[in-house]
Amino acid sequence: AQTVTQSQPEMSVQEAETVTLSCTYDTSESDYYLFWYKQPPSRQMILVIRQEAYKQQNATENRFSVNFQKAAKSFSLKISDSQLGDAAMYFCAYRSDPYTSGTYKYIFGTGTRLKVLA
Amino acid sequence: NAGVTQTPKFQVLKTGQSMTLQCAQDMNHNSMYWYRQDPGMGLRLIYYSASEGTTDKGEVPNGYNVSRLNKREFSLRLESAAPSQTSVYFCASSEDDRVAQPQHFGDGTRLSIL
Repeated sequence: AQTVTQSQPEMSVQEAETVTLSCTYDTSESDYYLFWYKQPPSRQMILVIRQEAYKQQNATENRFSVNFQKAAKSFSLKISDSQLGDAAMYFCAYRSDPYTSGTYKYIFGTGTRLKVLA
Repeated sequence: NAGVTQTPKFQVLKTGQSMTLQCAQDMNHNSMYWYRQDPGMGLRLIYYSASEGTTDKGEVPNGYNVSRLNKREFSLRLESAAPSQTSVYFCASSEDDRVAQPQHFGDGTRLSIL
């Protein structure tokens, strides 16, 4: 069974600085997808970035980028030029390719709370 | 763009009462999901429906039932609420094609069982 581990319950970063949130996962599959979601105090779950496992190039979305290391099963999120609005819970999620695995589940990590200090 | 709509947003129940949480999506997604979120536990899958007419158990299905009423709607029922079911419940939907489609979430339902 697949698992997702976020080993940092809480992180802090100074405004305008860079922070990296860690995520590791365990799977025997070769085709899968990885996501980072942001959950601000409003409780809404917002997609931050996504990565297909077959793509070697790391995904980027403005100030957000990932370091995807498939062999190491690591998927970390880097936030550059941190802003006060980045303060939230961040969840890493794994999804199998439903066409090869037959499953439609997403598996979430336990989250990392990011504090941004002014 | 409504996306995923959950009702109600808040509910307080007494132990033993029953209740149905409603979820509807307007994105024509095939797959729908119910999660519960508890402090330090992340999101845990209760049930999911890969397509209309099918439902499957997730990680924590005990004490819950679901109904995929049609492609748009996926309800979660607590037949006899217990204090351990106090949680925030999220409904989500997604496409199930081969593109890395994310889940789209509702705003959550905060449920307290006294």
